[in-house]
Amino acid sequence: DARVTQTPRHKVTEMGQEVTMRCQPILGHNTVFWYRQTMMQGLELLAYFRNRAPLDDSGMPKDRFSAEMPDATLATLKIQPSEPRDSAVYFCASGLQVLASGANVLTFGAGSRLTVL
Amino acid sequence: SQQGEEDPQALSIQEGENATMNCSYKTSINNLQWYRQNSGRGLVHLILIRSNEREKHSGRLRVTLDTSKKSSSLLITASRAADTASYFCATDDSGGSNYKLTFGKGTLLTVNP
Repeated sequence: DARVTQTPRHKVTEMGQEVTMRCQPILGHNTVFWYRQTMMQGLELLAYFRNRAPLDDSGMPKDRFSAEMPDATLATLKIQPSEPRDSAVYFCASGLQVLASGANVLTFGAGSRLTVL
Repeated sequence: SQQGEEDPQALSIQEGENATMNCSYKTSINNLQWYRQNSGRGLVHLILIRSNEREKHSGRLRVTLDTSKKSSSLLITASRAADTASYFCATDDSGGSNYKLTFGKGTLLTVNP
């Protein structure tokens, strides 16, 4: 089965350090999403790409977060500088969106668990 | 911001019973999906229902959609201990053209053997 691959699976870092999370979407999928999951907030949408173009990053703190898709096989989420409140599980998901209907079934990666001390 | 909201937050039942979870959302949608998440894992797609559909079945799953009430329900029949997981609804916003998918906070289902 095709998978979405995320690295690292776990990351512990100190406040102020830069964190980069990587995602390899499924080949042929035209959309990539980044979500953050916490107990308090649930699943928050951070960024959304279609055909590598950013469509929505309204849920992302712009001062410290950035998301890019340098090519079709790689999506990155960067936090600089990191803060303790960024501690969460970050999920990448990809899907093949049917533009006529908007239908877009997502396949999720296993997530990157980030702890900022 | 989250579009969908699941109810109840938590549900505990015995094996063999049926489980019903509800989702309410705020804006018009094109499609509504249900996903499942086992502890420590990513979400897995269960079923998609389009805005012009009222009911859909897949195995032991039955999903209904009422666009006039902006709500959906997921019914799992003859539950098993392996159905223990969190269940999320996801909606796209038909108001814009980018179809971004947002999730609710989920219902934690516990099926006791």
